Amino acid sequence: EVQLVESGGGLVQPGGSLRLSCAASGFTVSSNYMSWVRQAPGKGLEWVSVIYSGGSTYYADSVKGRFTISRDNSKNTLYLQMNSLRAEDTAVYYCASKRGDWGGQYYWGQGTLVTVSS
Amino acid sequence: SYVLTQPPSVSVAPGKTARITCGGNNIGSKSVHWYQQKPGQAPVLVVYDDSDRPSGIPERFSGSNSGNTATLTISRVEAGDEADYYCQVWDSSSDHWVFGGGTKLTVL
Repeated sequence: EVQLVESGGGLVQPGGSLRLSCAASGFTVSSNYMSWVRQAPGKGLEWVSVIYSGGSTYYADSVKGRFTISRDNSKNTLYLQMNSLRAEDTAVYYCASKRGDWGGQYYWGQGTLVTVSS
Repeated sequence: SYVLTQPPSVSVAPGKTARITCGGNNIGSKSVHWYQQKPGQAPVLVVYDDSDRPSGIPERFSGSNSGNTATLTISRVEAGDEADYYCQVWDSSSDHWVFGGGTKLTVL
């Protein structure tokens, strides 16, 4: 059974840093693209970042230069390093993954809440 | 940057057909994916690559994509279909995934 479990969320002050983790089971994180998607309270889905199987990474303009996506194949875990956090980064962060040849993101974690506040 | 436009809300009576649109410049040339999200839950992929359904998604859910509009159609709507629905595409010109603003489906 495929499972994605996020962790690392919490309360952080503006300008601070946080690293989110997404532990995968049932498939390998390097086998397909994996994304981070966030949802601010009461708002819609916002794509944050993606890492492809070949290692290419892409970022939303709102986080480029501040966030870094990476993966550890030995731990089968996806990461999101978030620096210079702002109040507008407050959201539930989901990791998500493609399934086989299906487009989009089929597998989703339960989400982890990041709150940026003083 | 590429923009996807969805109506904020759609209302439909049980048993009727709901159509949720997703507008974008020449969206017909892109692959569109649709997600259903219920309160407090992670999104669920209900249609991928314009019109394919993941296993376990009822045949009542279907998709189409042409020109500047993609459409998610839900036939014989049930109370359990009440949720927010999002369209998504990959914009190769900016190397960004893009979500529409979301549509709240209300079952009357």
